[in-house]
Order: sequence, then structure tokens, then C-alpha cells
Amino acid sequence: AQSVTQLGSHVSVSEGALVLLRCNYSSSVPPYLFWYVQYPNQGLQLLLKYTSAATLVKGINGFEAEFKKSETSFHLTKPSAHMSDAAEYFCAVILSGNTPLVFGKGTRLSVIA
Amino acid sequence: KAGVTQTPRYLIKTRGQQVTLSCSPISGHRSVSWYQQTPGQGLQFLFEYFSETQRNKGNFPGRFSGRQFSNSRSEMNVSTLELGDSALYLCASSFQGDTQYFGPGTRLTVL
Repeated sequence: AQSVTQLGSHVSVSEGALVLLRCNYSSSVPPYLFWYVQYPNQGLQLLLKYTSAATLVKGINGFEAEFKKSETSFHLTKPSAHMSDAAEYFCAVILSGNTPLVFGKGTRLSVIA
Repeated sequence: KAGVTQTPRYLIKTRGQQVTLSCSPISGHRSVSWYQQTPGQGLQFLFEYFSETQRNKGNFPGRFSGRQFSNSRSEMNVSTLELGDSALYLCASSFQGDTQYFGPGTRLTVL
């Protein structure tokens, strides 16, 4: 069963527009949730994480995500896209205890000038 | 603190050979995890080591193995390489297996 689902393998936005990348998880208990970004030919960089403190999590580079238990979602947003935001974004979850990090399939973000 | 380092960054091998990849975690981190990233399968978990013991293992054949040393450095080995093993291999470290920090990866090409 897929633990993490990212809707949209490719999202394209105009520079200055809102960025919304969707992530839904399947878990009966609140998991640990993460967003990572990957630039070409690089590893993954942690953007932000949810660990059951505040439901609205602020990350680096102006990104934030809101944990919504009722919707089992953890969507990533940024008010105004910048050209440098073009990259692949991965949502990931630790379901419980010492279980491995499970990744979604990723969403490639393109930013159009 | 220095980040996660992986060596080598690029590697070209031929089918049937074996390969060893190395990962040095962030200082103080005791958990090291390995992932395989391919365009078709995405990011797949290989295994995790914590304090020199394998704590979790993904669904990969026995040709894939790993180990962790007392200084938390980790190696993974792939024997009898196949074309399908061509991938970006990512290492991540964490203090106890929670928030993971990734290295730049090793790009393995099997010819």
C-alpha cells in the first residue's frame, strides 16, 4: 500500500505565482512528515518537517506546509515562486517507531519567467 | 558541522563486477540509511544501520549488502552488478533514525 501520494508528477507555475504541491499520507496515527527538495545532480535537502508540534510548519526558502489530520494531507506551499525554486520535491513519511522513511514519487516544479 | 559525505561521486562498472560505496555521516549521528534512486522506481529504501547493527532492510536482493563501522561510517556493497543497478545511491544520516540528512549521492553506471 502506498504510504505517501504526491498528486501531480509535474507542476508548472509562473514566476511570482503561488506554489502548491500536494501530498497525502495513509496512516492511522499521526506520522512524522517531511518535504525534501532535490536540485539536478544533487542529493536531497530538507525543506521542513512535521513532528506533532505546530500543524503549520515553516521551512527554508519561504516554503511552509500545513498538517491536516482530517484530510491526511501535508501540502507544501510558497506564496511567490522564484526561478530558483525549479527542482524536484519529495514528500516523505516515517509511519511509526524506527521504521524507514518512505518517499512519494516526487513532483517536478517548473517556474516560467 | 560538516554534512554527509559520499565517495566516490561517480562510478562506472561493467556487468558482473562488484562495487563498494562509502558514506560518512554527520558527526554525532548514529543512524545511516541507504537509498537507491532511479527514474522508474523513484527513491527506494535499501537498509538502515544504527550503532553497527542493521535495523531495517528494504526489498532488495542479497547482492546488496552494507555495514557500519564503530565510527558510524557506512559502506554498501553490490555484487554481480546488473544493468538495472545503474542509479543514484543516496546515503542519509540521522541522530536516532528520525530527521534524515542526505549526502550528494554516488552515481553508478553499469555498462
